[in-house]
Parts: sequence; C-alpha cells; structure tokens
Amino acid sequence: GIQVEQSPPDLILQEGANSTLRCNFSDSVNNLQWFHQNPWGQLINLFYIPSGTKQNGRLSATTVATERYSLLYISSSQTTDSGVYFCAGSARQLTFGSGTQLTVLP
Amino acid sequence: DTAVSQTPKYLVTQMGNDKSIKCEQNLGHDTMYWYKQDSKKFLKIMFSYNNKELIINETVPNRFSPKSPDKAHLNLHINSLELGDSAVYFCASSPRRQRNTGELFFGEGSRLTVL
Repeated sequence: GIQVEQSPPDLILQEGANSTLRCNFSDSVNNLQWFHQNPWGQLINLFYIPSGTKQNGRLSATTVATERYSLLYISSSQTTDSGVYFCAGSARQLTFGSGTQLTVLP
Repeated sequence: DTAVSQTPKYLVTQMGNDKSIKCEQNLGHDTMYWYKQDSKKFLKIMFSYNNKELIINETVPNRFSPKSPDKAHLNLHINSLELGDSAVYFCASSPRRQRNTGELFFGEGSRLTVL
C-alpha cells in the first residue's frame, strides 16, 4: 500500500498566525482528503481535493497530484483550529497519515 | 439530524466479553466503513461495505465481524475481547466516486476500553 507522510508532526502557533501543513504520498493518489479531529475527538472532512486548489473561509488546500503532495493552509488561526489534521488518499481505500497536532494559543 | 451516528459512545467491559457497536447513516451513501484509531491517533481501515456487500476486509482478527442489514447500517460485533482491542472505533460513510472512495463522513466514534 501507499505511504502517507505528514509534516510537521507538531505545530504551536499564536492566535492570528498563518501555517502550512504538508502531506506527501509514496505513489499516485486520486481521492486526497483533509480532515480535522477536534479536541473532543470528532473527525470533520475539510476538503476532498484530488487536484487543484480549494478554499473554504480561512482554510485552503492545494494538491499537486503529479508531484504527489498536498498542502493545507490555515490563515489567521484561531484557538478553535486546535486539534489534529489528517490527510488521506489512495487508489482504492483511504490510507491516513499520522497527522499534524496543531495547538493555537490565545 | 446526525448524518452518521454510532452507539454506544463509550463502552467499558471485561476481557473475554462480546460487544457490539451500531452505526447508521442518513446521507443516502452506498458505502460504509469501520476504522480503528489507536492510542497514538493512527487511523486504520478495518472493513468496507458497499450496498451491504463486503468489499474491503483488512487484516483484522476474525473475532471482529461486521454486519450490514441494509445500506444505511453497518454494525460491528467483537467476540472474546482482548486488552489490545481498546481503541476508538469510527464508523464512516461515503458516496461512490467511480471505483474510489468519495468524501468520507465520520461518526463521533465509540471509545472501547477493555479491562
């Protein structure tokens, strides 16, 4: 199966800062997704982004499928952005990365 | 209305017992899944059903048996529980996008603790 590598593993920000999270894949994927797991454990689908760029409020994501990576941008971070961000992708079933633990300080 | 709901949310039980977790989705999706999240938050697929038919069965002990009475329900039964089964179990559903997984929507998780 494919390998999914996320970086950085941990990130601490001051409220209002911007950040970029990265996801690398060992092979081509065509159904890349980003998820946020909040401190209460809920997993929320942020983006379904096999290629190109999408924006949703302060969050945006870009996938460069030919180079096997995806980026998640968080602008003007808020304390409610804290949690773990996962990317996942595959050709058949989703394989998850190990996540980026984001802590936004007030 | 909750899109993907699973019950119970918390389950504490003794080793050797049998337990079940139920899952229902009202999104009209064809495909449902069970994922296991371990203590390091790593998410791994266990099973996938498409319209009541098993399509993915990862390397999971046969003590775990999924059952899908209809495409809106996917239950997980676990026999002879072991300490290592302690984890959070997530149900999820997705529409089909050609032959691949579409957008995945998760339930709130069921935290299983085996004593």
